[in-house]
Amino acid sequence: AQTIHQWPVAEIKAVGSPLSLGCTIKGKSSPNLYWYWQATGGTLQQLFYSITVGQVESVVQLNLSASRPKDDQFILSTEKLLLSHSGFYLCAWSPPGQGDTQYFGPGTRLLVL
Amino acid sequence: GEQVEQLPSSLIVQEGASVLINCSYTDSASVYFPWYKQEPGKRLQFIIDIRSNMERKQTQRLTLLFDKKTKHLSLHITATQPGDSAIYFCSASSGTGGYKVVFGSGTRLLVSP
Repeated sequence: AQTIHQWPVAEIKAVGSPLSLGCTIKGKSSPNLYWYWQATGGTLQQLFYSITVGQVESVVQLNLSASRPKDDQFILSTEKLLLSHSGFYLCAWSPPGQGDTQYFGPGTRLLVL
Repeated sequence: GEQVEQLPSSLIVQEGASVLINCSYTDSASVYFPWYKQEPGKRLQFIIDIRSNMERKQTQRLTLLFDKKTKHLSLHITATQPGDSAIYFCSASSGTGGYKVVFGSGTRLLVSP
């Protein structure tokens, strides 16, 4: 069975500090991977997607970047956090091929002070 | 780009009632429409989907209707239970490969016993 993990579970960071969030998928080869941001009580905004190792497509510009260093790993990062980065970050995967049903991780809650 | 509007934003019903959640989208190139459910403290979970070559899909107490002409979807939940209380999101996949996903703003459903 496929499992998706995100780390850390939660973070409190200072404005201007760097950030790195991780996502790992086990049990599935060559998945499509996605990052989403969700404001508290709000909708999901897709940030990035990746269909293969080393290739990441940006959907919106929020002073964040993403990388896929391994087939099963997706990293979200920034060198300088803004207050507006606070929220819930969700990683998801879908089977290789066309975009399809997505399976979400547990999320990382980020508070920027 | 694609925009998805979802209404109502919240619903409060008694157990056993039926509810209707509506979504409309703007991009006629969107071909896949999955719906998700977010319960407090739990992962976003896929519940039902429909493709643009279909008009109706039903699973257990969920019926999803799709009107390609009006770019409108509606999710009907029958015989609601307190366990159905959650935020429901519609979404639309667009772009080459369908990897870009736009979510509606969500409908918060509360089912009282």
